[in-house]
Amino acid sequence: AQSVTQLGSHVSVSEGALVLLRCNYSSSVPPYLFWYVQYPNQGLQLLLKYTTGATLVKGINGFEAEFKKSETSFHLTKPSAHMSDAAEYFCAVSRSGGSYIPTFGRGTSLIVHP
Amino acid sequence: DSGVTQTPKHLITATGQRVTLRCSPRSGDLSVYWYQQSLDQGLQFLIHYYNGEERAKGNILERFSAQQFPDLHSELNLSSLELGDSALYFCASSAGTAPLEQYFGPGTRLTVT
Repeated sequence: AQSVTQLGSHVSVSEGALVLLRCNYSSSVPPYLFWYVQYPNQGLQLLLKYTTGATLVKGINGFEAEFKKSETSFHLTKPSAHMSDAAEYFCAVSRSGGSYIPTFGRGTSLIVHP
Repeated sequence: DSGVTQTPKHLITATGQRVTLRCSPRSGDLSVYWYQQSLDQGLQFLIHYYNGEERAKGNILERFSAQQFPDLHSELNLSSLELGDSALYFCASSAGTAPLEQYFGPGTRLTVT
């Protein structure tokens, strides 16, 4: 079975500060990993994904994530937070057990202070 | 705008009733996925259809059913509704059978009173 743990249901940063959202996964096979963002009253939007190849993945809006197999992690970072980054962020894992249906974490709410 | 449309946006109904949620996938996408999002359960996968055929089932209750029509739109039917069914229901679509990039609709917020 596959699972995702997002550490911290809320993360608060100041505008201009580093954003770090943590995600750890468990998977019995090499995983596919995703980060999605959900703005208020909207559906989820794919930020970035890792399938194979380069372990540092760049996404939209200046976000990036690094797949670390030894740490079973896929943390999301952004060097400088903007007010517009305030949203709910979801990490997801798929591919384990022959299923490509992603399992989502519980989400982390990013709060950006001026 | 993801290109995925869902109707209605909001639905308020009473316990015991039946409702139908509708989803139109992005143009060209053959897969439709349904998810339920609630505060206590998070985002839960319900069911996946590809080109009219059911491909995978998740934590979908027997009171819930879905189908995908020849024009690729999909409907999620929820019956004998309970208070605990109140949630956001999302539809997502993808081009192929593997959801390597899913496009989510804006969701339908269901409130059961």
